Amino acid sequence: AQKVTQAQTEISVVEKEDVTLDCVYETRDTTYYLFWYKQPPSGELVFLIRRNSFDEQNEISGRYSWNFQKSTSSFNFTITASQVVDSAVYFCALTRLPGLGGAQKLVFGQGTRLTINP
Amino acid sequence: ETGVTQSPTHLIKTRGQQVTLRCSSQSGHNTVSWYQQALGQGPQFIFQYYREEENGRGNFPPRFSGRQVPTYSAELNVNALELDDSALYLCASSESVSGGEETQYFGPGTRLLVL
Repeated sequence: AQKVTQAQTEISVVEKEDVTLDCVYETRDTTYYLFWYKQPPSGELVFLIRRNSFDEQNEISGRYSWNFQKSTSSFNFTITASQVVDSAVYFCALTRLPGLGGAQKLVFGQGTRLTINP
Repeated sequence: ETGVTQSPTHLIKTRGQQVTLRCSSQSGHNTVSWYQQALGQGPQFIFQYYREEENGRGNFPPRFSGRQVPTYSAELNVNALELDDSALYLCASSESVSGGEETQYFGPGTRLLVL
């Protein structure tokens, strides 16, 4: 069975601080995708990144960076110089790769509510 | 903007009623997935449709049903509504190649309240 754990329920920081959101996952699959989604108060899940388990390179996109460590089953997300607009609930998710049979359902963590205070 | 739309945005029903939620997927996408998100929880997979066939189902009872119709439309039907069905229902579309799928893009959701 697949499982995603986001141990941090809520995080509150002051604007311009760096913040890291933790994600730990469990899966018996040797290949899989990992995702991060952002959910603002409007409710829509906004796709941020997809990472293939084959690719352990860390990735940076502007103020966002992701640290994937297969050895510890973690896929952490860091926001540098946080801004008020970053306030949202962030979800980490896991799915099987295509071609392994069955629906590719996303298995989500419980989410981390991030509040950036001015 | 993902190009995925859902209607209605909000809905209030009473216990025992039936409801139909609609989703219009992104142009070119052939796979639609539905998720239920209870307050303060992560989304839970309900089922997925690929080329108008159910492609997999989560741990939801048969009173949750759906269909996918050409072109780029899908429905989620829930019969005999229960109070616990109150949630945000999210539709996601993706482009599936040879039965697999790529990134799922979500619509804004329908907030259902069952009284």
